[in-house]
Amino acid sequence: GAGVSQSPSNKVTEKGKDVELRCDPISGHTALYWYRQSLGQGLEFLIYFQGNSAPDKSGLPSDRFSAERTGGSVSTLTIQRTQQEDSAVYLCASSLEANTGELFFGEGSRLTVL
Amino acid sequence: EDQVTQSPEALRLQEGESSSLNCSYTVSGLRGLFWYRQDPGKGPEFLFTLYSAGEEKEKERLKATLTKKESFLHITAPKPEDSATYLCAVRAAGNKLTFGGGTRVLVKP
Repeated sequence: GAGVSQSPSNKVTEKGKDVELRCDPISGHTALYWYRQSLGQGLEFLIYFQGNSAPDKSGLPSDRFSAERTGGSVSTLTIQRTQQEDSAVYLCASSLEANTGELFFGEGSRLTVL
Repeated sequence: EDQVTQSPEALRLQEGESSSLNCSYTVSGLRGLFWYRQDPGKGPEFLFTLYSAGEEKEKERLKATLTKKESFLHITAPKPEDSATYLCAVRAAGNKLTFGGGTRVLVKP
């Protein structure tokens, strides 16, 4: 389809393991965002990319979290040494340009840390 | 720090019973207020953008309004398919959106 694609849709891991979450944005969209949504909560900003650079990574909760974007397209969010408090739905969104609030979201990757 | 507060947290309506959702915000230099709809297990879906006080936008049974301190999302004669969580977000300096906690709306037939 033409929407934002995220994988895996569900991930169960053990505490202390590393996980990688992937986002494939809409073709031609220059801006890409990662948000986190805990059960019944609003969206918490993590990081955004303009092209391959990340002008704002202020929302990353700790140095265990990192993200990269390559080729102005696919992005990967990596969580090292996962903790139980990392359990949440990780949502990726893209937009045509960075200065618009019309974001197109994927369906998210649900992470459960046991 | 930008803050967005939505109320109520949850709203139960009978089909046809109109109501309003509130989004109050504290932000330095508002560059846009946005409403999204989120269905269970899905990502949020964009509804409206509002830029200045007095502005209104409409889409089917939904109407969004903006003042200098808050925004309202009015749902007129709702139907069961309007059941969802409605999220409000603001953009100030930079390009990130700051979201509120959302209002869960349930419309019963």
